[in-house]
Amino acid sequence: ETGVTQSPTHLIKTRGQQVTLRCSSQSGHNTVSWYQQALGQGPQFIFQYYREEENGRGNFPPRFSGLQFPNYSSELNVNALELDDSALYLCASSPKTQRGETQYFGPGTRLLVL
Amino acid sequence: QKEVEQDPGPLSVPEGAIVSLNCTYSNSAFQYFMWYRQYSRKGPELLMYTYSSGNKEDGRFTAQVDKSSKYISLFIRDSQPSDSATYLCAATQLGGTSYGKLTFGQGTILTVHP
Repeated sequence: ETGVTQSPTHLIKTRGQQVTLRCSSQSGHNTVSWYQQALGQGPQFIFQYYREEENGRGNFPPRFSGLQFPNYSSELNVNALELDDSALYLCASSPKTQRGETQYFGPGTRLLVL
Repeated sequence: QKEVEQDPGPLSVPEGAIVSLNCTYSNSAFQYFMWYRQYSRKGPELLMYTYSSGNKEDGRFTAQVDKSSKYISLFIRDSQPSDSATYLCAATQLGGTSYGKLTFGQGTILTVHP
């Protein structure tokens, strides 16, 4: 176990709705990254947060947004859900003092959009 | 063309076999290379990471990076049924707007038969 927790574990939404996913980072880690993993594919980088600010972003539209809180936990918000948003959403934490390669993943939230 | 390419397999081997998993990449700026193991319906688990070219060994696992040919390998010796999982290679670069972004391959599904 990595110590990274995510909630909820599963979620079913309908197209057009909004969703919020939550992540608690491993103790001592101040950087959180979010990834989307479609079935049969590798994870795709959404964005990273460090000290409550977005530190980098992948090729995802603005309806994907996030927050990081002073305790380093994080939220991923997705507005106007589309069918293609159905995926496993992964949160990864890392200590900023080390390099970005040591990212530790949580178990993920499986989102189904109907 | 994807920045990291990985043969999805599936790969099936008998217990005790030596397993070779491979990836190629196209981005010359990549400096760190990682292997993750992902069991069904779980988050990816970091196995090993390597900086630049060279080998790194950890128990039954050996990671190799050849930057001249942009080739990443993971070898598993004395494979066990518990090694059955999806193996993901990933790469990242330091600095710039891509800091902290892991770029993953598609993943290779490995099954080790008793």
